Amino acid sequence: EAQVTQNPRYLITVTGKKLTVTCSQNMNHEYMSWYRQDPGLGLRQIYYSMNVEVTDKGDVPEGYKVSRKEKRNFPLILESPSPNQTSLYFCASSSNTGIKQFFGPGTRLTVL
Amino acid sequence: AQSVTQLDSQVPVFEEAPVELRCNYSSSVSVYLFWYVQYPNQGLQLLLKYLSGSTLVKGINGFEAEFNKSQTSFHLRKPSVHISDTAEYFCAVPNDYKLSFGAGTTVTVRA
Repeated sequence: EAQVTQNPRYLITVTGKKLTVTCSQNMNHEYMSWYRQDPGLGLRQIYYSMNVEVTDKGDVPEGYKVSRKEKRNFPLILESPSPNQTSLYFCASSSNTGIKQFFGPGTRLTVL
Repeated sequence: AQSVTQLDSQVPVFEEAPVELRCNYSSSVSVYLFWYVQYPNQGLQLLLKYLSGSTLVKGINGFEAEFNKSQTSFHLRKPSVHISDTAEYFCAVPNDYKLSFGAGTTVTVRA
């Protein structure tokens, strides 16, 4: 089954404790992206990747890092999480440059 | 850069009544448009998409949307809603290697 998976689905952590949210897709897509969803703001792009070792900033990259060492994986790294990063995070992948994106189930992150 | 605006943040509706969710897009030469749905505690699911061709687009679960170039709108409609349509709905447009989303419309269906 074609899918995008994220782990963990739920995470509660404390300020400053480094964390990684994993994202994996099994569709051999070149393009992958991370979004965060906040009430009243819709989804906003954090980072995206056009292919292995090619990443670029989206609209709200501050406080986040990404890497793309393998085509199927695109982890999101929060080196020093802060409460304003409490949000719902979605990973997405696409064979085109964002025309039709497949979304993961989401990761709800709470930073205390 | 292209953008979309969803005109209603909350839409309460009674079961079996019709519903319309409004979305306007910024003008462009060519445009693709999407509607996504997010059911409670779930991820995003594509409802329908407009890429080209017929301006009336039919999607899943009985939803349809009409692309209106003169009004720069892409409103989503369903003639008769069900309790299970309670969800948040997002209009989106591709934009420089990302999807730009509207703020979302929460639809609450009441019996």
